[in-house]
Amino acid sequence: DGGITQSPKYLFRKEGQNVTLSCEQNLNHDAMYWYRQDPGQGLRLIYYSQIVNDFQKGDIAEGYSVSREKKESFPLTVTSAQKNPTAFYLCASKPGGWQPQHFGDGTRLSIL
Amino acid sequence: KNQVEQSPQSLIILEGKNCTLQCNYTVSPFSNLRWYKQDTGRGPVSLTIMTFSENTKSNGRYTATLDADTKQSSLHITASQLSDSASYICVVIRNYGGSQGNLIFGKGTKLSVKP
Repeated sequence: DGGITQSPKYLFRKEGQNVTLSCEQNLNHDAMYWYRQDPGQGLRLIYYSQIVNDFQKGDIAEGYSVSREKKESFPLTVTSAQKNPTAFYLCASKPGGWQPQHFGDGTRLSIL
Repeated sequence: KNQVEQSPQSLIILEGKNCTLQCNYTVSPFSNLRWYKQDTGRGPVSLTIMTFSENTKSNGRYTATLDADTKQSSLHITASQLSDSASYICVVIRNYGGSQGNLIFGKGTKLSVKP
C-alpha cells in the first residue's frame, strides 16, 4: 500500500543534541512538507519541498534544517538551536494540482 | 490577517446523536476549504474538499457546507459512532497560483462520542 512513513514514533533529545526525524513516501508525490503541532494550536509549517534538491522555509523554520536528495525522502533535523522542540511533528506529501495533502502518523519529540 | 477559527473547541455527545462543527475564516484570496479528521496520535486524514462554487458535499455520515459569502463552513456528523471521536481540523487554502505553502489551519474541534 502507498503511504507516508514517519520514524521513529517517539524520540527523546538531550539538551544540546541534534536529532533527525525520518519521512519516507512511496506515493510518487513531488511535494513534501513538515509541520509542527502543539496542544491547542493549529499546524504550523516548518519547511516544504516542491522538487528534489529544492526546499523552502515555512513560518517557523528557525532551529530546523531539511534535505531533499531523493523524491521519496524528506528528513527533518531538529538542531540544538531550537529552544522549544517538544512537539508532535507531522510530515505530508502532495500530488500536483489542488489534491489534498497526505499525512504520516507523526513523531512525538520530547526533551530529556 | 488570514485566520481560521473553529468552534466549539471541544464537544461531547452521546453515541447515535448528530453534531455540527463550525469553521469561520478570513482567508483571502480563497481557493478551497478542507476538513480533516485526526485521531489521537495519528496524522490528519482528508474528509472533504470544497471549492468556491460548492455549497454542500457529503462523505458517508459527514456533510460539509460552505457559504463563501459569509466565509463560514460547517461539518455535520450524522448518527455519531464511537470511532468519530477525534479532532476535526478546518483548513483553508489561499489562491496563490499553485503555491504549495499557503494552507491556513484551524486549531481543531475535539469531539468525544460517549456510549
